[in-house]
Amino acid sequence: GAGVSQSPSNKVTEKGKDVELRCDPISGHTALYWYRQRLGQGLEFLIYFQGNSAPDKSGLPSDRFSAERTGESVSTLTIQRTQQEDSAVYLCASSLNTYDVANTQYFGPGTRLTVL
Amino acid sequence: SQQGEEDPQALSIQEGENATMNCSYKTSINNLQWYRQNSGRGLVHLILIRSNEREKHSGRLRVTLDTSKKSSSLLITASRAADTASYFCATESLNDYKLSFGAGTTVTVRA
Repeated sequence: GAGVSQSPSNKVTEKGKDVELRCDPISGHTALYWYRQRLGQGLEFLIYFQGNSAPDKSGLPSDRFSAERTGESVSTLTIQRTQQEDSAVYLCASSLNTYDVANTQYFGPGTRLTVL
Repeated sequence: SQQGEEDPQALSIQEGENATMNCSYKTSINNLQWYRQNSGRGLVHLILIRSNEREKHSGRLRVTLDTSKKSSSLLITASRAADTASYFCATESLNDYKLSFGAGTTVTVRA
């Protein structure tokens, strides 16, 4: 596709349930990032994938959060036992090459997660 | 923690006026980027300025970078209603692939 796509666009769940968010990066982009954005705030880095290297999970807020990526394609972000504080927009971005000086990230439209 | 801090937090201007927002950061950088976000969804990349550049233009956008003061400014000239959005600066630090985003400046352009 032409850009980064994410699904679902909106997700409402009950506290304690697990959710899975999906990201399709731009074809050929080796780097993929997940961010969380709470209402009225900036972006919090969650996790980063680069090719077949071990992902950088340093931004994951708790062990309830995990993410996977198959090769250089789709990524899924899983939140287990959701809490109300997990309510936010989850944004995915991809970039062509981490080692490129101009590391421009291209963002998907986000998934708005609401935990009741 | 956030590297960049935007100022002001919110800005309201009349259509046709210029809008200026500033970004300060803490550590040395490879580059600084400005993004726009409409309605709390995906961010759109506007402009990137490298650490060895001092000024850059793109259409109605002008970005300056002062590495000695660790600050940048984004100027939008002749604003339009469609410029209403939140604007974020993001820094790519030395030896770090991650972008650190500020909390953003919300710009409202009144018709």
